[in-house]
Order: sequence, then structure tokens, then C-alpha cells
Amino acid sequence: QSALTQPPSVSGSPGQSVTISCTGTSSDVGGYNRVSWYQQSPGTAPKLMINEVSNRPSGVPDRFSGSKSGNTASLTISGLQAEDEADYYCSSYTSSSTVVFGGGTKLTVL
Amino acid sequence: EVQVLESGGGLAQPGGSLRLSCAASGFSFSGYAMSWVRQAPGKGLEWISGISGGGGGTDYADSVKGRFTISRDNSKNTLYLQMNSLRAEDTAIYYCAKCRTVTTKYDMDVWGQGTTVTVSS
Repeated sequence: QSALTQPPSVSGSPGQSVTISCTGTSSDVGGYNRVSWYQQSPGTAPKLMINEVSNRPSGVPDRFSGSKSGNTASLTISGLQAEDEADYYCSSYTSSSTVVFGGGTKLTVL
Repeated sequence: EVQVLESGGGLAQPGGSLRLSCAASGFSFSGYAMSWVRQAPGKGLEWISGISGGGGGTDYADSVKGRFTISRDNSKNTLYLQMNSLRAEDTAIYYCAKCRTVTTKYDMDVWGQGTTVTVSS
């Protein structure tokens, strides 16, 4: 199972919006509404930010939103804040009943 | 407070074995699937295995299939990962994660702080 494709890095200024893409295949992202997004700050465990494409778990700011079109899922962060600077990973359920992660995207808040 | 705490990491020789444990608290352990995810030094996340709440359903990534075994003891609120035939490429931080439902292993809402496994001679 190949990793999902994410851009290595994105950046934005405080207050702006950024979007991180996550591209897979019809056997994972495109085949199921089971895409999750995780935020990981250096030296800490990942934190679930979005599940099932667009659901925000309790406690996650509504500045974070998710969507999907075909084989590509997206995470959009609006009103960027300095605390949003972290690595972001997408994941998807696969047709093999496994989970595949993306390679990760480093978000820099300028 | 809902939490999971990993233990059992350490140094192992190539070809050797280790067993990781994950103690859960603050939730009805048997009511949730659990997963193991690892992260090699400086690399991204890799899901390696998941198990349903009752323990009857297990899945593995190809990279560990046949070498690693996931199990759980619901009476002890503990998840395990038996790792055999270890390779240098298994060196990583291993995270235990609670999943959101009893069967779905793909969205993990509570993570431990990880335990480090180093495979080296």
C-alpha cells in the first residue's frame, strides 16, 4: 500500500487560510469517506483534527475543515494562528482493511 | 481522564523480539478498537496494526504481517504488540491509539506518548 501524497510544506501568514491536499486512489481516499487528519507538534503525539472527511471532534476549533473530491481530500485552516504551526498528516481506510497515512505536510506560519 | 500509556520499548538485536504493552484508563476499553502506529526517526506516521474491541478482528500492514501480533486483554484494559524477527527498519516510536468505535480502526482519537524501539546490534 503506497502512502498518500501530501505536499511537503505549506505556509501562510496569521489570519490567512491554507489548504493541504491529500491524494490517494479509488482503493483508499476515493473509495471511502474514511479520511482523517492529524496534527503533530514536535516531540508530541498526533492529535485527531478531522475524521470521516469533514467531522470535527469535540474541542477542535471550527477554523479547521475537511473536504473530499474524487481521490483527493483537503484540510483547510482558516484564520491561521501561530499555534497552528505543526506537521499535518492525512490517513485513509483502504480496500485491504488497513490504514494508510500521507507523508505529512509541515505548516509554517510566517 | 481518557488516556493510554505505552511501555516495553527498548533496544533489541536484529532477529530478536519485544513485546509492547498499552495500559488504557478512563473509558470502557472493550468498547473500542485499538491501533498501533509507528514513526521512524525524522519520518512520517505508519499504521501497523489494529484490533476490534472484542479482539476477534485484527489487521496488519504488509510491512509487519507475519512478524508482529496484536492482541488485547479486556479484563486488564491492556493492548499488546508482540514483535518478532525485528529488523533495523522497525526502529521507531510506537504509539498506541484508541479508535472511535468498537470496530473501526481508521480514526484514532486518543494517543499515548509513545515508546521507543531501537533495533541494532
